[in-house]
Amino acid sequence: DTGVSQNPRHKITKRGQNVTFRCDPISEHNRLYWYRQTLGQGPEFLTYFQNEAQLEKSRLLSDRFSAERPKGSFSTLEIQRTEQGDSAMYLCASSLGAGGHEKLFFGSGTQLSVL
Amino acid sequence: EDQVTQSPEALRLQEGESSSLNCSYTVSGLRGLFWYRQDPGKGPEFLFTLYSAGEEKEKERLKATLTKKESFLHITAPKPEDSATYLCAVQTYTGNQFYFGTGTSLTVIP
Repeated sequence: DTGVSQNPRHKITKRGQNVTFRCDPISEHNRLYWYRQTLGQGPEFLTYFQNEAQLEKSRLLSDRFSAERPKGSFSTLEIQRTEQGDSAMYLCASSLGAGGHEKLFFGSGTQLSVL
Repeated sequence: EDQVTQSPEALRLQEGESSSLNCSYTVSGLRGLFWYRQDPGKGPEFLFTLYSAGEEKEKERLKATLTKKESFLHITAPKPEDSATYLCAVQTYTGNQFYFGTGTSLTVIP
């Protein structure tokens, strides 16, 4: 068990550019979550997968954000045409959802800075 | 609307000075309440899950309790290494997402 891995750890980009982040969950975990966190705030839900199916997406999530989880393993989060307001820590978490006793294991996050 | 509120926002304690952090919640149907610890620049680390009112969990100097409206994280005789942000989250029966509070930033002074 190597934990949840996120890459890159840091990303600096210019406004208008596209960025993609990767998350490798704990291998036997079937659920994968993406959260966004800004300084002094708690993590904000973005989207959630069960295996390869994207089951929930935040109503607040812009159409510029898209996530995939091909084959139910790793996941990618893409932000198109980045804006300065997208600057945040993007956290990935995975869990083994079973019988309501679920707990999230988080990665160390990708810190995005949009200049 | 489901809400999670944590207080205080920040707490400074002398080493050995016990205290409690509060998490109050308003949700349509509580599936579970979670406490996490987060160190700067890292992702949250799981501490406890509580499922029903009256439940208590303990780990070293930390003890979490749950009522129908709030949860407390009690810290007994804290040490400087307990300094971190403590986050509370709830999961409801209406969806699978977890709602997080804004956290309490704890500083323990030697």
